[in-house]
Amino acid sequence: IQMTQSPSSLSASVGDRVSITCQASQDISDYLNWYQQKPGKAPKLLIYDASKLERGVPSRFSGSGSGTDFTLTISSLQPEDIGTYYCQQYDHLLRTTFGQGTKLEIK
Amino acid sequence: EVQLVQSGAEVKKPGESLNISCQGSGYRFTSYWIGWVRQMPGKGLEWMGIVFPGDSDTRYNPSFQGQVTISADKSLNTAYLQWSSLKASDSAMYYCVRHNGYTYLYWGQGTLVTVSS
Repeated sequence: IQMTQSPSSLSASVGDRVSITCQASQDISDYLNWYQQKPGKAPKLLIYDASKLERGVPSRFSGSGSGTDFTLTISSLQPEDIGTYYCQQYDHLLRTTFGQGTKLEIK
Repeated sequence: EVQLVQSGAEVKKPGESLNISCQGSGYRFTSYWIGWVRQMPGKGLEWMGIVFPGDSDTRYNPSFQGQVTISADKSLNTAYLQWSSLKASDSAMYYCVRHNGYTYLYWGQGTLVTVSS
């Protein structure tokens, strides 16, 4: 299964609403997670099962979608949100594929 | 507290072998899948494969099958990623991850592998 993320990079202002999309090459139900990676650090889980917020993640992050089209939304961009965001699909055999990433910067 | 502690950075020559490790603590090591993720310089995340330490069941990304060996030693609470003959293109950061259901909630700190003549 291929995952296509867009855009590959994004520049937005503090307070903006930001959306990143991920499209699967076939129906994956809600088997999709989102991660944030800051430079020099390991990725951090934000959203699992397409729309469930991981404990401790700010509520400005949300996920939506099912089937083939998914969206990660940041409702009000904060300076600490800069980094690269990845979607991840998985199957029942635990095989997984990541999207190519979206680099988010502050204008 | 769940922790995954990886071995330190490595500098190797092409053709050399290498074994990097990931030691888990704070949980029952034999009960959770451990995976490996590659990140080449400036690039994205690539799933390499996983091992279940309880019975050593292993699953590989076809792109990495035959190129690396993933294993675990449950007596040491440690998972391994091994190469028998490194190539320059193996230069990357390698992360171990612990499955939490279908998510990668827990990550190691990463091991940087540099392969250069």
